[in-house]
Amino acid sequence: EVQLVEAGGGLVQPGGSLRLSCAASGFTFSLYSMNWVRQAPGKGLEWISYIHTSGTTIYYADSVKGRFTISRDNAKNSLYLQMSSLRDDDTAVYYCAMYSGSLDFWGQGALVTVSS
Amino acid sequence: EIVLTQSPDFQSVTPKEKVTITCRASQNIGNNLHWYQQKPDQSPKLLIKFASQSFLGVPSRFSGSGSGTDFTLTINSLEVEDAATYYCHQSSGLPPTFGQGTKLEIK
Repeated sequence: EVQLVEAGGGLVQPGGSLRLSCAASGFTFSLYSMNWVRQAPGKGLEWISYIHTSGTTIYYADSVKGRFTISRDNAKNSLYLQMSSLRDDDTAVYYCAMYSGSLDFWGQGALVTVSS
Repeated sequence: EIVLTQSPDFQSVTPKEKVTITCRASQNIGNNLHWYQQKPDQSPKLLIKFASQSFLGVPSRFSGSGSGTDFTLTINSLEVEDAATYYCHQSSGLPPTFGQGTKLEIK
């Protein structure tokens, strides 16, 4: 059974940093590209970042470019999102998702709240 | 950026009714269109990939069609458990984008 489990969410002040992780199991992690997608409270889905299997190809949404860094450790079956210079409008549930053209499986999400 | 526009935004439906949700893309995306279901306080789940391919374990009452710019998600014989928000998503262009969502309420 595919499982994706996010961790690392919490309350952070504007301008602060936070690192999310996503632990993968039930599939060969190194063979799949991965994405981060977020959802602000009561709002729709927003794609924010993509990383290819080897980590050599990476994309970001304009809204997070220069502030967020996606990475992965295939030996640990883990995906990461380093977030810095956080703003109020980064408050959202952050989902990791396995990609095969579509977003086939999603984690349960990690809530990040940016507030003073 | 490719814009996806869903209609309707909201629909109140009765069990066993047939429901149709449409998704229009601002440019040709071929068949690179996917549908997700999100129930309250849950993460999204893939229903249909590449416009018409049912994902594993998805009930047969869910089907998808379309290509190019116009796509449809159909739910035949709606069940109470289908109350959710449905999103379309395109993977044709960067950035990937989602429709605004269609909320289905069961009467």
